Amino acid sequence: SQKIEQNSEALNIQEGKTATLTCNYTNYSPAYLQWYRQDPGRGPVFLLLIRENEKEKRKERLKVTFDTTLKQSLFHITASQPADSATYLCAPTLGGPGGGNKLTFGTGTQLKVEL
Amino acid sequence: GAVVSQHPSRVICKSGTSVKIECRSLDFQATTMFWYRQFPKQSLMLMATSNEGSKATYEQGVEKDKFLINHASLTLSTLTVTSAHPEDSSFYICSARGRQGMYEQYFGPGTRLTVT
Repeated sequence: SQKIEQNSEALNIQEGKTATLTCNYTNYSPAYLQWYRQDPGRGPVFLLLIRENEKEKRKERLKVTFDTTLKQSLFHITASQPADSATYLCAPTLGGPGGGNKLTFGTGTQLKVEL
Repeated sequence: GAVVSQHPSRVICKSGTSVKIECRSLDFQATTMFWYRQFPKQSLMLMATSNEGSKATYEQGVEKDKFLINHASLTLSTLTVTSAHPEDSSFYICSARGRQGMYEQYFGPGTRLTVT
């Protein structure tokens, strides 16, 4: 069955450093990989989508990589700030007409950026 | 752009009653809407997918007679939890997708349901 793994332990880093979060998946071949941010008691917020033929994608301080051979995506936040503290969810997504219909999320990694 | 609202944000109801949760896409037409539930410290679990004007598709293990979904227009979907029980207490979140070919989803702020 499909399995998605994210760092289960919380990640604590110092303000200004780069945070790197990992998403590994097994038993399927997603055409896309999405990253979302979720704050406590709120719905997730879409951050980035990367396609299988893209190695890297950037948006402001965010960078995502997608390695289909390793079945892994890395999510980087550079120059991290306390406001970046949240839980980050990855969602490997199948392609095709119905591919985006079912998002399966990883359990998320809780990031805490300290002063 | 791509704002989704949910109402109510919190609701407390007595066991045996029904509760309706509304999900609206405010600035775009949502061809597909999704309903998730989330238990504490767990990830989101998809309950059902609905397309405007057609019946919802429920995930395995989700009782369609208990969780009634109506997607009456391109901007509104409702989830009704019928004959609620304490085990239905959870965080319910809707999301919307604008058109086929869009894979990202835009989520509402969620509804905290507590059944006493």
